Amino acid sequence: EIVLTQSPATLSLSPGERTTLSCRASQSISTYLAWYQQMPGQAPRLLIYDASNRATGIPARFSGSGSGTDFTLTISSLEPEDFAVYYCQQRSNWPLTFGGGTKVEIK
Amino acid sequence: EVQLLESGGDLVQPGGSLRLSCAASGFTFSNHAMSWVRQAPGKGLEWVSTINYSGGRTDYADSVKGRFTVSRDNSKNTLHLQMNALRAEDTAKYYCARGGGNWNFDSWGQGTLVTVSS
Repeated sequence: EIVLTQSPATLSLSPGERTTLSCRASQSISTYLAWYQQMPGQAPRLLIYDASNRATGIPARFSGSGSGTDFTLTISSLEPEDFAVYYCQQRSNWPLTFGGGTKVEIK
Repeated sequence: EVQLLESGGDLVQPGGSLRLSCAASGFTFSNHAMSWVRQAPGKGLEWVSTINYSGGRTDYADSVKGRFTVSRDNSKNTLHLQMNALRAEDTAKYYCARGGGNWNFDSWGQGTLVTVSS
């Protein structure tokens, strides 16, 4: 099973700040990585697929990068609605696995 | 607009059974793999099962293999999850999601809550 490790577990930031979230895979997954955002009480939403492609309707302030085992999600300038939990997920191998999540909270 | 509406969640005793359903609309259901993903209270996301577009291939997490069965009815645009031999650790909100396998989870329902407790 491919283990995805997200860091840090929590980020305390202010609106307007730039932030980078990390996701590390236990073995190479090429670029078969997606990022999801989950706001409190809501279903997850696809943000980024194949490591660097924004999903439909996702603002340009969200960007993804990486390949192999190391991936990042960058939010260039935090908006109030961006304070949420972010998960990475791999589709390189069965079983499909998610990272443990990074919570971005308001400082 | 893609819509996924789960139903069937309930309080059930350990060892019991439950059948979840997901009604899909707004897209050609029979063209897409579909999945179940769950989230225990206060925890992260866990993939449960995926069924391919035709129903000819199914995959399961080890934690549910042999107890859960995923199926689909393409004539009714509906996805199901039959859950048997339920355990306390199966307590979670269960999300229906479009995609899985070679496809990202690009649309999600709002989830249905399953509680396993005596």
